[in-house]
Amino acid sequence: EIVLRQSPGTLSLSPGERATLSCRASQSIGSSYLAWYQQKPGQAPRLLIYSASSRATGIPDRFSGSGSGTDFTLTISRLEPEDFAVYYCQQYGSSPYTFGQGTKLEIK
Amino acid sequence: ELQLLESGGGLVPPGGSLRLSCGASKFTFSNYAMTWVRQAPGKGLEWVSTISGSGALTYDTDSVKGRFIISRDNSKKTLFLQMNSLRVEDTAVYYCAKALGYCTSTNCHLWGMDDWGQGTAVTVSS
Repeated sequence: EIVLRQSPGTLSLSPGERATLSCRASQSIGSSYLAWYQQKPGQAPRLLIYSASSRATGIPDRFSGSGSGTDFTLTISRLEPEDFAVYYCQQYGSSPYTFGQGTKLEIK
Repeated sequence: ELQLLESGGGLVPPGGSLRLSCGASKFTFSNYAMTWVRQAPGKGLEWVSTISGSGALTYDTDSVKGRFIISRDNSKKTLFLQMNSLRVEDTAVYYCAKALGYCTSTNCHLWGMDDWGQGTAVTVSS
């Protein structure tokens, strides 16, 4: 089973700042099989990034993804108030298609 | 607008069974792999099961193998999750989601889940 470790667990930033979230895999998953999701309280997750770096439909360009192999990054260039949420990475390189434990992005 | 609507959740005692359904509309259901993801109260997301568009391929997380069965009826545009031998630790909100990617006859190549239902709550308790 591929384990995904996200860091930091909690990130405290202010609107307008840049956020950098990390997702590290216990073994290589290539670059096509890593996705990022955003989840707000009481809501279903929303796909932000797929194949490590492709933005999903309707996702603002302040969200970007990068990485390959075992190290992946989600960057939010300038935080908007609506971006404060929990973010998860997920791998599809091999079953089970595991999620990371999540990074909570909170307002400082 | 694409819609996924889960139903069938509820309260069930340990050892009991439940069948979740997910009705799909406004997309060609049979063309897409579908997935169940769950979230225990206050916890993170956990992938449960995925089924190919044809239904020929299924994948399950280890903790539900032998207890849960994912299936689909493409003529009715509905996804199912039959949950047997339920445990307290299966308590969660269960989401169905549509997968990005494709499946061959032997494997699925998926990249993410781009549409989600709002979830149905399952509580396993005596």
